[in-house]
Amino acid sequence: AQSVTQLGSHVSVSEGALVLLRCNYSSSVPPYLFWYVQYPNQGLQLLLKYTTGATLVKGINGFEAEFKKSETSFHLTKPSAHMSDAAEYFCAVSAKRNNDMRFGAGTRLTVKP
Amino acid sequence: DAMVIQNPRYQVTQFGKPVTLSCSQTLNHNVMYWYQQKSSQAPKLLFHYYDKDFNNEADTPDNFQSRRPNTSFCFLDIRSPGLGDAAMYLCATSRAGDYNEQFFGPGTRLTVL
Repeated sequence: AQSVTQLGSHVSVSEGALVLLRCNYSSSVPPYLFWYVQYPNQGLQLLLKYTTGATLVKGINGFEAEFKKSETSFHLTKPSAHMSDAAEYFCAVSAKRNNDMRFGAGTRLTVKP
Repeated sequence: DAMVIQNPRYQVTQFGKPVTLSCSQTLNHNVMYWYQQKSSQAPKLLFHYYDKDFNNEADTPDNFQSRRPNTSFCFLDIRSPGLGDAAMYLCATSRAGDYNEQFFGPGTRLTVL
C-alpha cells in the first residue's frame, strides 16, 4: 500500500520568494508521484508527475519537483512565488498494477504581497 | 478539448431526498472515479469503475451508489442525503496502465438543507 505525508498544512510566502512544499511518500513498490493544485471551488489540476527516468521533473506554472528515493521525498518548488499561486496543493502516490491514487492531506499556500 | 464534465456544478437537496450527480468524459478512459472532498481535506475515494467492474472502498457508506451505463458516463446516487454528506464531489478518469494519472472534473458542490 502507498501513502503520502505532506508536512505543513499551511505555508505562507511573500511574492517573489521561494516556494517549497514538502511531500514524503511510503510505497513498497516503485511509486508514481504527482502534484496537483486546486483553486477554490474547482477540481484538481495536474502540476507535474514522476513516473520513471529523470528525477527532476518540471511542470506547469514554473513548478518543479525532485524525486529522491533515498529520502522518500518529492518536494515541490518554485523559485519565485506569484499571487496567482495561492491555492491548495496535493501530493499523491500510486503504483503499477493498481488503480489507486492516495492523496496527502494538502498544503494551503498563501502568497503575501 | 478532451475533458471531464460534471453536472450540475452546484446542487442543493433536502435532507433525505435522493440526488444524482453526473459525470461524463471525452477522454475515452476506461477507469472512472468518484471522490468526496470536505472543506480543507484531501479527496476521499468512494469507488471506481475499471471498465464495467465496480470497486467499492471498504468504508464507503451504503447510502452512496454508482452507475456506469457506458464508457463516457458515470453517475453518483446518494439515496438519502444527510447533513454530513454536504461536500464537493469530484469525478476523475484515468487510462489503465498509464501511470494512473487521473484527470479531474470541476466538481459538484452539494448542499443539504
